[in-house]
Amino acid sequence: AQSVSQHNHHVILSEAASLELGCNYSYGGTVNLFWYVQYPGQHLQLLLKYFSGDPLVKGIKGFEAEFIKSKFSFNLRKPSVQWSDTAEYFCAVRRGYQKVTFGTGTKLQVIP
Amino acid sequence: DAGITQSPRHKVTETGTPVTLRCHQTENHRYMYWYRQDPGHGLRLIHYSYGVKDTDKGEVSDGYSVSRSKTEDFLLTLESATSSQTSVYFCAISEADGDEAFFGQGTRLTVV
Repeated sequence: AQSVSQHNHHVILSEAASLELGCNYSYGGTVNLFWYVQYPGQHLQLLLKYFSGDPLVKGIKGFEAEFIKSKFSFNLRKPSVQWSDTAEYFCAVRRGYQKVTFGTGTKLQVIP
Repeated sequence: DAGITQSPRHKVTETGTPVTLRCHQTENHRYMYWYRQDPGHGLRLIHYSYGVKDTDKGEVSDGYSVSRSKTEDFLLTLESATSSQTSVYFCAISEADGDEAFFGQGTRLTVV
């Protein structure tokens, strides 16, 4: 079964710092990749997704992610975080016709 | 936000009692999913539906059953609640399997 690893469980950054959250998945082949965000007390919302094409994907709120097939990775980046980016971030992967598998999440705390 | 309503939003129940959670959508999406969210585990798929009366198991289906008698409603039932089922439950919908999912606000269930 597909597994998704988010190695950073808790990240603390100061405002204006750059962000990179790691996401690695276990098997190759055709994959659909997602990043979701969950603000405190709220439901998950899609930040961005990759199905095919340009491996550098731009999402909402200034986030982007890069699909590196050879590394089975889909890392999330933002050049300058804001306090309002404090949230939990989930990577999710769908391989072939399997169901989407979510990572365990990374909690981001941005200090003003 | 997508039209997804979960009810109840909070529930406390006793061990051994049956519990039903409801998910209602107004988007006419074909696919509906029930996830549970637990610290350190991310989101795990319990059951999903790909049409009226068409359902299948996810990775953590033991102790849960589902029903979908109408496109807009997807019910999750805990036949005999246990403390290990204390969790936050999210319903999600998508137009196509493996595509972007839209999530409900969640139901916080406590089994005492």
